[in-house]
Amino acid sequence: KNQVEQSPQSLIILEGKNCTLQCNYTVSPFSNLRWYKQDTGRGPVSLTIMTFSENTKSNGRYTATLDADTKQSSLHITASQLSDSASYICVVRIQGAQKLVFGQGTRLTINP
Amino acid sequence: GAGVSQSPSNKVTEKGKDVELRCDPISGHTALYWYRQSLGQGLEFLIYFQGNSAPDKSGLPSDRFSAERTGGSVSTLTIQRTQQEDSAVYLCASSLDPSGVYEQYFGPGTRLTVT
Repeated sequence: KNQVEQSPQSLIILEGKNCTLQCNYTVSPFSNLRWYKQDTGRGPVSLTIMTFSENTKSNGRYTATLDADTKQSSLHITASQLSDSASYICVVRIQGAQKLVFGQGTRLTINP
Repeated sequence: GAGVSQSPSNKVTEKGKDVELRCDPISGHTALYWYRQSLGQGLEFLIYFQGNSAPDKSGLPSDRFSAERTGGSVSTLTIQRTQQEDSAVYLCASSLDPSGVYEQYFGPGTRLTVT
């Protein structure tokens, strides 16, 4: 069954600290993996997209990694800011299909 | 430029009533998707439109759900005889094409509450 599992479900850290969010998937065949940020009351916004051959991709303070062998991805946030408080969703596209498989998200809270 | 817009932003309805949710995609985007996001759950695919092709309705949870896309632009998601379990945020997304290379841009969603 095509699934995307994220951990932790929720995370609270202090402003300025780093954190890493995890994503494991069983989607096959794999096309690409995206990380989305979803602020409360808003739609998800794409942070990164990674294909099979990419191991690391950065977008400012966000760095995503992908290990296609173990089917794991991580999203590392450096020097967190209050505005990073949001849900982070891992999404995998099935090759040849239009539908995406969504993880349940990690709710990140940054405290001052 | 304008992003994906959805209306209404919030909708409260009584059980058994019909509701219509509207999505205006980004101009020029040929692919349009509807998703449902229940509290504490991941996004659930509902339906997908691509140009003039027949829509992929495989995600619709029951025959009470239907959607149209007129003129390849605006889309309406209709839920008939609403039930309490239909309460969720309904998100619309559009994409330049469905190849997977172009990302999906999401609207802000419509929060539906069935009382």
